[in-house]
Amino acid sequence: TQLLEQSPQFLSIQEGENLTVYCNSSSVFSSLQWYRQEPGEGPVLLVTVVTGGEVKKLKRLTFQFGDARKDSSLHITAAQPGDTGLYLCAGAVHSGGYQKVTFGTGTKLQVIP
Amino acid sequence: NAGVMQNPRHLVRRRGQEARLRCSPMKGHSHVYWYRQLPEEGLKFMVYLQKENIIDESGMPKERFSAEFPKEGPSILRIQQVVRGDSAAYFCASSPLKGTNTEAFFGQGTRLTVV
Repeated sequence: TQLLEQSPQFLSIQEGENLTVYCNSSSVFSSLQWYRQEPGEGPVLLVTVVTGGEVKKLKRLTFQFGDARKDSSLHITAAQPGDTGLYLCAGAVHSGGYQKVTFGTGTKLQVIP
Repeated sequence: NAGVMQNPRHLVRRRGQEARLRCSPMKGHSHVYWYRQLPEEGLKFMVYLQKENIIDESGMPKERFSAEFPKEGPSILRIQQVVRGDSAAYFCASSPLKGTNTEAFFGQGTRLTVV
């Protein structure tokens, strides 16, 4: 069973600050996704990283996949209240033509105006 | 994620009743995942299905819970004789066949309340 630990679990910051969320595992993943979930809604996919060391940017969000494909980070620059939500990483393992996706424990972010 | 349709959005059941949760995957997707989420927590994997086939049900409780994904129609998560501890949000996600480095897209969930 692949386990994904996210840190921090909770984060409350002022608008304009920077932050980093970490997603760590002892398992190797074929790919890793980051999702954001708002209250009462389903998770919405933000990005998928596939290659070890890969860095992807989505406006103020920067995602990095570790060289060994076991961990990832999400960095937000100049956080906005609209960034508030639950951030989830999810690791995918491909085996026999199927894909097993395991979710991290989640990071709840609150950005205060 | 609007393409994955779950219904009902909210479901209230009395203890001992049955709950049926439906999930219609995105067009062209033949793999479905079910997850359970308690308030303030992450998503817990329950079951992974392909049409007419259960691939992985390692996250499903052994009793009272079952899932199916028939050749025609939506995937169904069935909970028999519900108890208060079953109250949670249940999310369905779908991905295409031959899921190699492909993402899972989520529905808006069904919030089950057992009274």
